[in-house]
Amino acid sequence: EVQLVESGGGLVKPGGSLRLSCAASGFTFSTYTMNWVRQAPGKGLEWVSSISSGDPYIYYADAVKGRFTISRDNAKNSLYLQMSSLRAEDTALYYCARVPLHCTTTSCSDYWGQGTLVTVSS
Amino acid sequence: QSALTQPRSVSGSPGQSVTISCTGTSSDLGTYNFVSWYQQHPGKAPKLTIYDVSNRPSGVPDRFSGSKSGNTASLTISGLQAEDEADYYCSSYAGSYTLVVFGGGTKLTVL
Repeated sequence: EVQLVESGGGLVKPGGSLRLSCAASGFTFSTYTMNWVRQAPGKGLEWVSSISSGDPYIYYADAVKGRFTISRDNAKNSLYLQMSSLRAEDTALYYCARVPLHCTTTSCSDYWGQGTLVTVSS
Repeated sequence: QSALTQPRSVSGSPGQSVTISCTGTSSDLGTYNFVSWYQQHPGKAPKLTIYDVSNRPSGVPDRFSGSKSGNTASLTISGLQAEDEADYYCSSYAGSYTLVVFGGGTKLTVL
């Protein structure tokens, strides 16, 4: 069974840093592109970042570029999001999501975790 | 403001059909046939419902269908059921710079 379990969220002050993790199981993690998608409380979905499998291509939304860093450790079946210079508008539930092999682009995610909540507040 | 535009809400009675629209631009949805739709129930993670405009993942009922014309994609749900009541989001590939854009979401109410 495919499972994605996020962790690392919490309350952080503006300007602070946080590292999110996503533990993957039930599939060959190294062969899949992965996404981070966030959802502010009561709001819609927002794509944050993507990392391809293998020799990774990495992409960021403009809203987080230069502040967030996505990475993966295929040996540990884990995906990460290092977040720095956090702002109030980064407050959201952060999901990690898998891009299925049959999808042509990263706009398609078939399995999602339950999310980890990041709250940026003083 | 989301990159793709969806109606805030739609509604229908059980057994009826409803269509949710998703309007983009020539930079995203209008150029690429990589539109996905997600269903999200309250407190739950999104569920992929349609990908690449009109393809259904395994396990999604054929009551769900997708299409696209020009800069607008559509999700049609026929034979509405109570469990279809949820938020629905569209997303599109938007090129190698922006990569992925989402719509603001549509709340479907089954009357």
